[in-house]
Amino acid sequence: DTGVSQDPRHKITKRGQNVTFRCDPISEHNRLYWYRQTLGQGPEFLTYFQNEAQLEKSRLLSDRFSAERPKGSFSTLEIQRTEQGDSAMYLCASSLGNIDEQFFGPGTRLTVL
Amino acid sequence: SQQGEEDPQALSIQEGENATMNCSYKTSINNLQWYRQNSGRGLVHLILIRSNEREKHSGRLRVTLDTSKKSSSLLITASRAADTASYFCPSGAGSYQLTFGKGTKLSVIP
Repeated sequence: DTGVSQDPRHKITKRGQNVTFRCDPISEHNRLYWYRQTLGQGPEFLTYFQNEAQLEKSRLLSDRFSAERPKGSFSTLEIQRTEQGDSAMYLCASSLGNIDEQFFGPGTRLTVL
Repeated sequence: SQQGEEDPQALSIQEGENATMNCSYKTSINNLQWYRQNSGRGLVHLILIRSNEREKHSGRLRVTLDTSKKSSSLLITASRAADTASYFCPSGAGSYQLTFGKGTKLSVIP
């Protein structure tokens, strides 16, 4: 257990529905990252927060995706109008300041039917 | 962000043997990290080596870095069944995001 928690661990939804995932980072970590991982691939960067500010978004993050980190603590990732191609493991990570090591949560596995 | 490419894609060894996997990258880096991912424990940071370091040890892990060849290697000595996992080597160049390759899938046979 790295100290990063994600909820839910599994989510099954029908195409077209909206889903929201939550990530709770290690409490003193000011940086928070979202990645997506499909079967047989490494994680792909989606977006990054420093405190409450979203500083970078990947081109992978279409306009159906939105992420927030109110008050610089937990973060949510919402996917609107889900598509079957959104099926993946969504990973959250956090890090402290200028330390490069990222601590990953267990992930949320999304299945879109 | 930098991308590490791991090689081989898959590796199968007997328990007790050593496992070596390699990583190559394309541009200058500040550091290179190795992560392990298995189904039970998710993605776990193993070791970070900085660009001014050539070798680093952590328990049964030994990492080398050759910046002239833009390559790194991870050696796991006296492997155990619990080492069965995928291993990734994202690198950083002062950027915050990690870019992962497909990893090396290690199978340690009891």
